[in-house]
Amino acid sequence: AQKVTQAQTEISVVEKEDVTLDCVYETRDTTYYLFWYKQPPSGELVFLIRRNSFDEQNEISGRYSWNFQKSTSSFNFTITASQVVDSAVYFCALSEVPCGGSNYKLTFGKGTLLTVNP
Amino acid sequence: DAGITQSPRYKITETGRQVTLMCHQTWSHSYMFWYRQDLGHGLRLIYYSAAADITDKGEVPDGYVVSRSKTENFPLTLESATRSQTSVYFCASSENSASNQPQHFGDGTRLSIL
Repeated sequence: AQKVTQAQTEISVVEKEDVTLDCVYETRDTTYYLFWYKQPPSGELVFLIRRNSFDEQNEISGRYSWNFQKSTSSFNFTITASQVVDSAVYFCALSEVPCGGSNYKLTFGKGTLLTVNP
Repeated sequence: DAGITQSPRYKITETGRQVTLMCHQTWSHSYMFWYRQDLGHGLRLIYYSAAADITDKGEVPDGYVVSRSKTENFPLTLESATRSQTSVYFCASSENSASNQPQHFGDGTRLSIL
């Protein structure tokens, strides 16, 4: 069974600090996909990034960067120079390649609440 | 571009009542999903649908019923609501069955059962 662990329940930082959100996953499959979603205080869920298990290159998008390491089954998310608008709950999620294309399942971690204080 | 919309945004009802949460998407996505979000549990999959008239159970389906007569709609019904079903419900859709496709979420329905 697949599992996603976000050990940090809450993180609080001061604006302009860098912060890393941890995500560790478990899966028996060799092919899988990892995702990060953001849930701001307004409540909606916003897709941030998708990564497949064969691509371990780190990715950077503005102040956001992601570090995927298969050796440690981790897919960590770093926000550089954090801003108050980054305050949100962040979810990591795992999707395995479905067998026969019918058992599509996305498993979410329990989320990390990030608070960025001015 | 309306995307995916859920209604109502907020609902209060009593135990034993039937309540239906609506979900509508304008992308013609094949897959649609219902999740519930509870403190300490994150998001858990209730039901999903691969296409019109095809639905399947997720992690926590008990007490819920779904239907998908049209591609764009995926209503979720609580046939006899219980207090344990107080939660925030999210509907999502994705383009196809490939597990690399991101799911796009509605804004959620906050349901309180008294």
